[in-house]
Amino acid sequence: QLQLQESGPGLVKPSETLSLNCTVSGGSISTSPYYWGWIRQPPGKGLEWIGTIYYSGSTYYNPSLKSRVTISVDTSKNQFSLKLSSVTAADTAVYFCARSYDFWSGGAFDIWGRGTLVAVSS
Amino acid sequence: QSALTQPASVSGSPGQSITISCTGGSSDVGGYNFVSWYQQHPGKAPKLMIYDVTKRPSGVFNRFSGSKSGNTASLTISGLQAEDEADYYCYSYAGSSTYVFGSGTKVTVL
Repeated sequence: QLQLQESGPGLVKPSETLSLNCTVSGGSISTSPYYWGWIRQPPGKGLEWIGTIYYSGSTYYNPSLKSRVTISVDTSKNQFSLKLSSVTAADTAVYFCARSYDFWSGGAFDIWGRGTLVAVSS
Repeated sequence: QSALTQPASVSGSPGQSITISCTGGSSDVGGYNFVSWYQQHPGKAPKLMIYDVTKRPSGVFNRFSGSKSGNTASLTISGLQAEDEADYYCYSYAGSSTYVFGSGTKVTVL
């Protein structure tokens, strides 16, 4: 059974870069037509799509975050990653990684990680 | 990129039916049949309930159904049960290789 697990620091200082990894187990990250995404949720607020990546490296980003976001994939580790630069307190959130069915056919997220809370504070 | 509009809260008694709306525009909800719905219980990851407007993943009860008319998508829960109390989010393709979530709706079972 496919599982996703987020990992990374739970505390990041303002102006620094938030870095998270998502490790995929029970299946290959290179399986077509699946894509892999990052979603976040500030405490007490709604979900926000951050971006999505295909195992080939093609990336798609939320326009409001695009200037600060980089999503990458490492197929040898069956892992994909998120980097968010110049963070502020507004970036404090639970960050989820998830598997998405074909990005060009609805991109629904059918399998999710448990999420990891990242706080931005000095 | 603005969130799609959902009512903040919807409530119903056990056994009743409720409908949650998700309103966007012709560039997102109205332009594509790529709307999905997620259920989220407190402290948990979201769960996919509906995809491609009307399709139900295996394992999701048929009490959950989706539809769309114009720029508004809807999720209907029939035979409301206590375990349906949760937050629900819509998600739609928004063109130009982007997606957007709805603002979220808290469902309360009275």
